[in-house]
Amino acid sequence: DQQVKQNSPSLSVQEGRISILNCDYTNSMFDYFLWYKKYPAEGPTFLISISSIKDKNEDGRFTVFLNKSAKHLSLHIVPSQPGDSAVYFCAATDQGGSEKLVFGKGTKLTVNP
Amino acid sequence: SAVISQKPSRDICQRGTSLTIQCQVDSQVTMMFWYRQQPGQSLTLIATANQGSEATYESGFVIDKFPISRPNLTFSTLTVSNMSPEDSSIYLCSVGHIPLEQYFGPGTRLTVT
Repeated sequence: DQQVKQNSPSLSVQEGRISILNCDYTNSMFDYFLWYKKYPAEGPTFLISISSIKDKNEDGRFTVFLNKSAKHLSLHIVPSQPGDSAVYFCAATDQGGSEKLVFGKGTKLTVNP
Repeated sequence: SAVISQKPSRDICQRGTSLTIQCQVDSQVTMMFWYRQQPGQSLTLIATANQGSEATYESGFVIDKFPISRPNLTFSTLTVSNMSPEDSSIYLCSVGHIPLEQYFGPGTRLTVT
């Protein structure tokens, strides 16, 4: 049973446009969410996070939105750059519980020049 | 953030043999984690490596198959024992960081023939 789902295995966008990566979760105990970026032959790199007490968190070109009622979060990248081409993983955890990260399968983003 | 290195970066092994993967961190950390990423799958937590005590394994992973050592606060090893082709994966170590962000090593790509 996958508790964190990224239903789009891949996404292709043009440079300068917006990239929207989606993530759904099923465990209502999750209250902290993270996005990681992974380049080939490298480990995942922390990108941005959001606590369930917020519905939006912004860091430069990256914004994460959280819709708790829908158990859905999304990562927006504006404007997209070719260097953003990577696999993006959504992860979730419950801060008051195990604090273990549960990952989705990832979405491969390709930004075309 | 912590700088994490892993050895080896990749290996090809024969079934029935064992491989020990090393993880070195440039600073002392309390929590170290070992993950597996099978082809096309998400990152799955194998175990949490605790300094001075036995590792804590997740459901589906056992110490006989994946023995872990944690001799000090900067180093850990994961052994994949009696390997089969199903063990072909990327193995990653990570370290915990407040708040709940984990930093990953570059990974070890294992192929079992």
